[in-house]
Amino acid sequence: QSALTQPASVSGSPGQSITLSCTGTSSDVGAYDYVSWFQEYPGKAPKLMVYDVSHRPSGVSNRFSGSKSGNTASLTISGLQAEDEADYYCSSYTRSSTYVFGTGTKVTVL
Amino acid sequence: QVTLKESGPVLVKPTETLTLTCTVSGFSLSNNRMGVSWIRQPPGKALEWLAQIFSNDEKSYSTSLKSRLTISKDTSKSQVVLTMTNMDPVDTATYYCARYSSMHDAFDIWGQGTMVSVSS
Repeated sequence: QSALTQPASVSGSPGQSITLSCTGTSSDVGAYDYVSWFQEYPGKAPKLMVYDVSHRPSGVSNRFSGSKSGNTASLTISGLQAEDEADYYCSSYTRSSTYVFGTGTKVTVL
Repeated sequence: QVTLKESGPVLVKPTETLTLTCTVSGFSLSNNRMGVSWIRQPPGKALEWLAQIFSNDEKSYSTSLKSRLTISKDTSKSQVVLTMTNMDPVDTATYYCARYSSMHDAFDIWGQGTMVSVSS
């Protein structure tokens, strides 16, 4: 199972919106609506930000929104803030009944 | 409050078997809406899913590592154990256990992680 493809880095200025992509195949991202997004700070455990493509867990800011089209999922961060600077990983359930993570995107707030 | 905590050796030698334990609290491993996965992250690299065990004892493994992994649980002790055989330096990583919730269809709560180095 190959990792999902994410851009290595995305940057934006405070207040801007940025979109992170997560590209898989018809065997994972395209097969189910079981795509999640995680935020990870250095030395800390990942935190669930979005599940089932577009749902936010309780306590997660509504500045984070998810979507999917075909084999590509996306995470949009609106009203970018300094605290959003972190690594972001997507994840998907697969037709093999396994899970696969993305390659990760480093978000930089300029 | 739901928590997961990983424990195990900090250092293992090449060819040895790694045994990691995830102790959970705040939920039961017999809850039919819950499972526990092991996920690892080599230094500076991406997350990699390893294995999962569900409340009904259903197990699944990474296709590429399946031959080396065994996951099990002891519900009475609230523990999930992962063994990985034939360790190699490329297996050096932070190993996380995470709760899988059917309510979220996602890994919603993670442990703090435990760093394992493989070196002679």
